[in-house]
Amino acid sequence: GAGVSQTPSNKVTEKGKYVELRCDPISGHTALYWYRQSLGQGPEFLIYFQGTGAADDSGLPNDRFFAVRPEGSVSTLKIQRTERGDSAVYLCASSPRDISYEQYFGPGTRLTVT
Amino acid sequence: AQSVTQPDIHITVSEGASLELRCNYSYGATPYLFWYVQSPGQGLQLLLKYFSGDTLVQGIKGFEAEFKRSQSSFNLRKPSVHWSDAAEYFCAVGRNYGGATNKLIFGTGTLLAVQP
Repeated sequence: GAGVSQTPSNKVTEKGKYVELRCDPISGHTALYWYRQSLGQGPEFLIYFQGTGAADDSGLPNDRFFAVRPEGSVSTLKIQRTERGDSAVYLCASSPRDISYEQYFGPGTRLTVT
Repeated sequence: AQSVTQPDIHITVSEGASLELRCNYSYGATPYLFWYVQSPGQGLQLLLKYFSGDTLVQGIKGFEAEFKRSQSSFNLRKPSVHWSDAAEYFCAVGRNYGGATNKLIFGTGTLLAVQP
């Protein structure tokens, strides 16, 4: 079956611009996660959704970052006023149950802020 | 706070040789432990996980890992490496915060190169 998909695969934007990154989880998966992976680092947790609601957004670095999942499926990570330090690979993962560590990762979106 | 340490940033092994990738964690209780592999352009793939029970766990692609509580370690092993195993390997620890989240804490990764 289809895995987690993320679009775009690459995004180049100028400092100060607004970007949206999209995640399509595996069909039927109720939990969705966003992670950020900077160069030479492991993924860092950003936010976790149970259904439509953000159950834990403690990893969002500041208020320029926001994520939504309005229908409990597709999620969008939104970054306002991008900064060069936001350059990273943004990973999405989904899980078949809310209480589960079976996280299935997408290929990521590589964001470059110039 | 939880943390994961992978002391080896880069390892090179010969094809057919054995492999051990080190992982140490810091956590106050019995952790949930994972190994993921990431190939270029690919998403993270789960190799194996430890929740409880037998401390030696088997995973996909011929990998295994052993949980050693006394050493706070969860090292990944493979008896004979194949060229296709060249990738970056991440150890991760997870905690269920009272059912509210299942976020994973990752190490910085070990990049494995396989030489013919």
